[in-house]
Amino acid sequence: IAGITQAPTSQILAAGRRMTLRCTQDMRHNAMYWYRQDLGLGLRLIHYSNTAGTTGKGEVPDGYSVSRANTDDFPLTLASAVPSQTSVYFCASSVSSGSPSTGELFFGEGSRLTVL
Amino acid sequence: GQNIDQPTEMTATEGAIVQINCTYQTSGFNGLFWYQQHAGEAPTFLSYNVLDGLEEKGRFSSFLSRSKGYSYLLLKELQMKDSASYLCALMDSNYQLIWGAGTKLIIKP
Repeated sequence: IAGITQAPTSQILAAGRRMTLRCTQDMRHNAMYWYRQDLGLGLRLIHYSNTAGTTGKGEVPDGYSVSRANTDDFPLTLASAVPSQTSVYFCASSVSSGSPSTGELFFGEGSRLTVL
Repeated sequence: GQNIDQPTEMTATEGAIVQINCTYQTSGFNGLFWYQQHAGEAPTFLSYNVLDGLEEKGRFSSFLSRSKGYSYLLLKELQMKDSASYLCALMDSNYQLIWGAGTKLIIKP
């Protein structure tokens, strides 16, 4: 089934542990994004990648890192998790960047992360 | 900077019409997007406006007035499955999306 796959769907993590959220798309989209969604707040962009081999910082990048070794995969890593990183994380992709078509995002089903 | 406002929650009756408003302030504008998000699920794209006016797509329509910094999403012939959060998002001058907090729409029989 075409689309975006995220893993894990849910995880409870001890503070200080390292965690990688995986994201894979099979639509050959150039641009990919990581958002976090918290109650009462809009989606906030963590990191993005306009094309394979490039990444950029979003609105809330601190404590997170990403890589884009190929078109399909865009993992998000929390080097040392803290409780404030408890959130629902969404990976998304778009056909391209730098144009209005960027706004039509395709989202994964989300990863619910709890940091204790 | 940018700012987006939309109501936190609205209630409507099955079969009726509801209008969800979104106001924004921005120094750069490349479009206004609406997404639907059912509880516990991912957002899905509904509509996109870059020029003033009304865009109709089945039971859903979206309106934009750039001079007023205002958009609305109009849902007609409401169905129970329309119960969801509706997210307004502004595309800024760097083609990045800035998201509102979302409007939770509750449909009652």
